[in-house]
Amino acid sequence: DVKVTQSSRYLVKRTGEKVFLECVQDMDHENMFWYRQDPGLGLRLIYFSYDVKMKEKGDIPEGYSVSREKKERFSLILESASTNQTSMYLCASSRPVGGTYNEQFFGPGTRLTVL
Amino acid sequence: AQKITQTQPGMFVQEKEAVTLDCTYDTSDPSYGLFWYKQPSSGEMIFLIYQGSYDQQNATEGRYSLNFQKARKSANLVISASQLGDSAMYFCAMREGTTSYDKVIFGPGTSLSVIP
Repeated sequence: DVKVTQSSRYLVKRTGEKVFLECVQDMDHENMFWYRQDPGLGLRLIYFSYDVKMKEKGDIPEGYSVSREKKERFSLILESASTNQTSMYLCASSRPVGGTYNEQFFGPGTRLTVL
Repeated sequence: AQKITQTQPGMFVQEKEAVTLDCTYDTSDPSYGLFWYKQPSSGEMIFLIYQGSYDQQNATEGRYSLNFQKARKSANLVISASQLGDSAMYFCAMREGTTSYDKVIFGPGTSLSVIP
């Protein structure tokens, strides 16, 4: 059974803290993604990676960075957490595009609250 | 400009009835893919159905079908014989182009409630 796991379901941090969100997939997927989900806005792409050590900015990268040292692991880093980063964070992975469709497989999400 | 529009923030449907969730999209790329995902209250996104821009027939997966109207840039999800377990958020999404990596844009979602 394919699986994407995220390190925490719920996280509470203080303003200014450095926050690490971890995502691991066991499907040997090349592509990995970090989204944040806010009511009425859907999912917005923060960063994605299509290979180890490769990263690309998504639509809302400000205040975030990422790390992909191994194929199965993609980390999202909040360098200095702020209250406006309180949100649900979703990690996803997929095979590269080619031929048939390639849906994204999602983790269960991390609900982050910054106080 | 919004690339994916879902005009129904919330919908109600009677159990066993069919329901249509609207999605319109905007792209100038001739090659694209359209996805629908379901998100129950547990939070996990579940892939439901896919339609490629060059697919000749509308996609179907069990009780889910996609009413694809290319000229109107419309990709509505039809759920037949609604069940209580269908109550969830539903997201329409689009991937443009065929690069080796896919950047998918999601709509704002529609909340569906199935009434017994």
